[in-house]
Amino acid sequence: QQQVKQSPQSLIVQKGGISIINCAYENTAFDYFPWYQQFPGKGPALLIAIRPDVSEKKEGRFTISFNKSAKQFSLHIMDSQPGDSATYFCAAKETNDYKLSFGAGTTVTVRA
Amino acid sequence: DAGVIQSPRHEVTEMGQEVTLRCKPISGHNSLFWYRQTMMRGLELLIYFNNNVPIDDSGMPEDRFSAKMPNASFSTLKIQPSEPRDSAVYFCASSLQGHTSSYNSPLHFGNGTRLTVT
Repeated sequence: QQQVKQSPQSLIVQKGGISIINCAYENTAFDYFPWYQQFPGKGPALLIAIRPDVSEKKEGRFTISFNKSAKQFSLHIMDSQPGDSATYFCAAKETNDYKLSFGAGTTVTVRA
Repeated sequence: DAGVIQSPRHEVTEMGQEVTLRCKPISGHNSLFWYRQTMMRGLELLIYFNNNVPIDDSGMPEDRFSAKMPNASFSTLKIQPSEPRDSAVYFCASSLQGHTSSYNSPLHFGNGTRLTVT
């Protein structure tokens, strides 16, 4: 049973557009919410992470929005570029746990 | 920093054969994880080591799978005998802390071993 539900499974966006990936969770003990980016043939790599005491975190063209009451968080990729084409995983973890619960992944394709 | 190093990158074997996957974590990291990635099941945690000690192996599919970490710089995942349903990409990952908040200690993945069992 997946503790973090991710959608959509895939999306296609034009260059310069906005990619939005959504994740939802039930475990209110989760307090660390990272996003990982995976290119073909590579391992996932940490892209950006947020704690639940903030509602938004921005790093360059990547923004996490966090809604604690709705138990949802999302990744926005602004001005999407072909180099952003990858699979994105959301994840969540409790403070005193070692286990990251991963979403199922979203494959993003950015068309030039 | 060379990152997490896994070998081999690709492994093709016949059903029934023994397969050994290898991992060198990032120097100084005290937590090591083995994951399996498939289209159907996504990223699954197989086993977690902390300070070279296996802490949680509840994700190991069955007794055919075993993992060891003889020292802080090396771990192996062995499948014996291998079966076609074991075909997947196996990732090793390491981090500095496993039991406390990992906000400032992210998980670093290797580039994986793609296993094909025919």
